[in-house]
Amino acid sequence: DGGITQSPKYLFRKEGQNVTLSCEQNLNHDAMYWYRQDPGQGLRLIYYSQIVNDFQKGDIAEGYSVSREKKESFPLTVTSAQKNPTAFYLCASSSTSGKKYTGGLFFGEGSRLTVL
Amino acid sequence: GDSVTQMEGPVTLSEEAFLTINCTYTATGYPSLFWYVQYPGEGLQLLLKATKADDKGSNKGFEATYRKETTSFHLEKGSVQVSDSAVYFCALLNTGGFKTIFGAGTRLFVKA
Repeated sequence: DGGITQSPKYLFRKEGQNVTLSCEQNLNHDAMYWYRQDPGQGLRLIYYSQIVNDFQKGDIAEGYSVSREKKESFPLTVTSAQKNPTAFYLCASSSTSGKKYTGGLFFGEGSRLTVL
Repeated sequence: GDSVTQMEGPVTLSEEAFLTINCTYTATGYPSLFWYVQYPGEGLQLLLKATKADDKGSNKGFEATYRKETTSFHLEKGSVQVSDSAVYFCALLNTGGFKTIFGAGTRLFVKA
């Protein structure tokens, strides 16, 4: 079955360490996204990518980095520069037609990062 | 900028009660509107969508109508079940955009 796989599901980090969250999709979607979810809040966009080797900052990109070397993969690195990284991270993808997004995001099951 | 406002939760209902979760939006142009559902410990799932005014999205007994005159997209279900307990997010995507804007979410508890 097609879908989005995020790993690890739970991750603990010491202050000052970088960590990388994996996101893989086999839906053949062009666009991929990373969102951050904090308790009682909606989702905030960190980065998104519309095509391979290209990505754009979202609303809260500071302290994060991404790469898009393959269509299927969009890993997120949470760097030591991110001051408050404890959160639930969600990866999503969507299909597009040309440059138009056709609507509806598919989400992975999320990765919960805790800073010790 | 574009934004979505949802009623604050939690909403607590008894099984078979009628559900309404209010959602209003602010956007330029003609956005597409969505409802997503999130079960505990999981990612979000698309529940339903509407792409133009007066469209009604529906799925699994839930429905919502795109009301441009009131800039609203309220979620309704005639008879809720315990299994409907989850967090519901209203969202919009503006024309030509790639960024989906989410509301803060409304938690629903359904008691047996």
